[in-house]
Amino acid sequence: KQEVTQIPAALSVPEGENLVLNCSFTDSAIYNLQWFRQDPGKGLTSLLLIQSSQREQTSGRLNASLDKSSGRSTLYIAASQPGDSATYLCAVGPSGQNFVFGPGTRLSVLP
Amino acid sequence: GAGVSQTPSNKVTEKGKYVELRCDPISGHTALYWYRQSLGQGPEFLIYFQGTGAADDSGLPNDRFFAVRPEGSVSTLKIQRTERGDSAVYLCASSWLPLGGAVMSSYNEQFFGPGTRLTVL
Repeated sequence: KQEVTQIPAALSVPEGENLVLNCSFTDSAIYNLQWFRQDPGKGLTSLLLIQSSQREQTSGRLNASLDKSSGRSTLYIAASQPGDSATYLCAVGPSGQNFVFGPGTRLSVLP
Repeated sequence: GAGVSQTPSNKVTEKGKYVELRCDPISGHTALYWYRQSLGQGPEFLIYFQGTGAADDSGLPNDRFFAVRPEGSVSTLKIQRTERGDSAVYLCASSWLPLGGAVMSSYNEQFFGPGTRLTVL
């Protein structure tokens, strides 16, 4: 059974810092991995989707990498801003189409 | 519509009652998913539809939960005899998967609705 963990559970940084969020999964036979952002009381906003054949994806200040063999993905946020404050979730797509989610990392960027 | 919509946004009910939660996916998306999210946790898969049929309902916790998608678009999640433990945010997502195509596709970007917050008193 696929299990997904995220470290750290919570992170507080001053504005302008570069930061890395980590996601680990137990079954490396995944088809894709997706990073989401969730604001309090809101649904999930898709940030980046990495196919199993890809190593990384970039969108603006965000860069996500995938290492299937080690069961890890990282989300790199450059020059963090207070508006980046949210919970960041990673989800892996194993066999079948449903995603297995990690518990999330709560990020606070202080002005 | 522009995105996935869910109604109602909030639902408060009493233990033992029946509730229906509605999801309207992105137009043209063939696949629809239901997840449940408890406070402080990531979403947990419930059921997935490809077209009108439930392709995977392995996440439904018990037979009090049922979902339909009769015309391959809007879906309704139905919960009978609600219990306090059913309280959570119920999230719906949709994605485009070719009908009749490979079951296991590497491309499956899911787009989520805002969720329905269910509170069972």
